[in-house]
Amino acid sequence: DGGITQSPKYLFRKEGQNVTLSCEQNLNHDAMYWYRQDPGQGLRLIYYSQIVNDFQKGDIAEGYSVSREKKESFPLTVTSAQKNPTAFYLCASRLSSTDTQYFGPGTRLTVL
Amino acid sequence: SQQGEEDPQALSIQEGENATMNCSYKTSINNLQWYRQNSGRGLVHLILIRSNEREKHSGRLRVTLDTSKKSSSLLITASRAADTASYFCATAFTGTASKLTFGTGTRLQVTL
Repeated sequence: DGGITQSPKYLFRKEGQNVTLSCEQNLNHDAMYWYRQDPGQGLRLIYYSQIVNDFQKGDIAEGYSVSREKKESFPLTVTSAQKNPTAFYLCASRLSSTDTQYFGPGTRLTVL
Repeated sequence: SQQGEEDPQALSIQEGENATMNCSYKTSINNLQWYRQNSGRGLVHLILIRSNEREKHSGRLRVTLDTSKKSSSLLITASRAADTASYFCATAFTGTASKLTFGTGTRLQVTL
């Protein structure tokens, strides 16, 4: 099946620990995105990548890092520098010739 | 950030009624998109309207765009219980076509 997968679905982390969220797509999409969603809120862009080995900061990049070594993968690391990391994280991808983004099922991160 | 504002924040209707949600934004756009999110899930693309279009239809969905008022509306006709979800508008601004800025969403509850 084609699509975007995110793992794990639920993630618990102790304060002070880094954690990496996985995002994989087999849609052959060029661009990939990471968003954060807080309860009752819209999505805010963390990082995005339009091609392999290149990525740009979004609106709330502080405390996060990404890599794009392969077209199909765009992992997000939530570092200990992120002051309030508990949130729902969504990954998306887009074919460069279109404007529509396709979303994964999300990872819910809770910091204990 | 240039986040869209949606109105109302929450809407409760009975099955069979129409639901109308509105979205306002601040600067010139390339296109405006509507997405749906079921509770705790990823977003699903519904419809895209370009800045040179005024109205678009897809099944029971009707989207209008008024660039002079910087606003859009999403109409769902003959609503069903399965339409219960949060609905988000997302704008792609002129010059930043690869990025979307999401509104805060409208939570729609359709009761039997």
